[in-house]
Amino acid sequence: EPEVTQTPSHQVTQMGQEVILRCVPISNHLYFYWYRQILGQKVEFLVSFYNNEISEKSEIFDDQFSVERPDGSNFTLKIRSTKLEDSAMYFCASSEEVPSQDTQYFGPGTRLTVL
Amino acid sequence: AQTVTQSQPEMSVQEAETVTLSCTYDTSESDYYLFWYKQPPSRQMILVIRQEAYKQQNATENRFSVNFQKAAKSFSLKISDSQLGDAAMYFCAYRSFASGGGADGLTFGKGTHLIIQP
Repeated sequence: EPEVTQTPSHQVTQMGQEVILRCVPISNHLYFYWYRQILGQKVEFLVSFYNNEISEKSEIFDDQFSVERPDGSNFTLKIRSTKLEDSAMYFCASSEEVPSQDTQYFGPGTRLTVL
Repeated sequence: AQTVTQSQPEMSVQEAETVTLSCTYDTSESDYYLFWYKQPPSRQMILVIRQEAYKQQNATENRFSVNFQKAAKSFSLKISDSQLGDAAMYFCAYRSFASGGGADGLTFGKGTHLIIQP
């Protein structure tokens, strides 16, 4: 069964450094999403992406974040200058084109630790 | 803005018994989708079951079923014949209906930690 994959599984970085989290969505999916989950808290929506542009974003997704689909398979989340509070689990998800775009399939997540 | 509330931080059930996890939500929309996701210790989010708000029939997936009460804005998950592998965090989630496309994010509740007693 097709799956969303994410790399790396765990990323450790120093405060102020840039990180890029990578995702490979399910191949026939056209909607892509990033979520984060701070330890012990609920999963929060960051951004959605469709047709090579941002479709929706939350108030969390400020100027330090950016997303890109650099090629036909990868979908990336860049955090330009990491802060301690960016430490969290980051999940990528994807969904099909209509009519099943409602169901999002999640990757296994990347644990980001900012020191 | 929509909100999702899971009032049970933790639930415990004996193996082979039935347990029900509660979820309520607040929305002014009439069309939407509701989901239950499971997050085991590996922390991967796994879809358990989904419900379209326009459908009156409650969704069922093997041992998992929902009780969807649209007027009450309630969406509970029933797990029958609980198994040790069901132990996980369970998150209720809401998604707006996007008739013209769009990519609305999911709104999650805070989760319920389900413990299965052998």
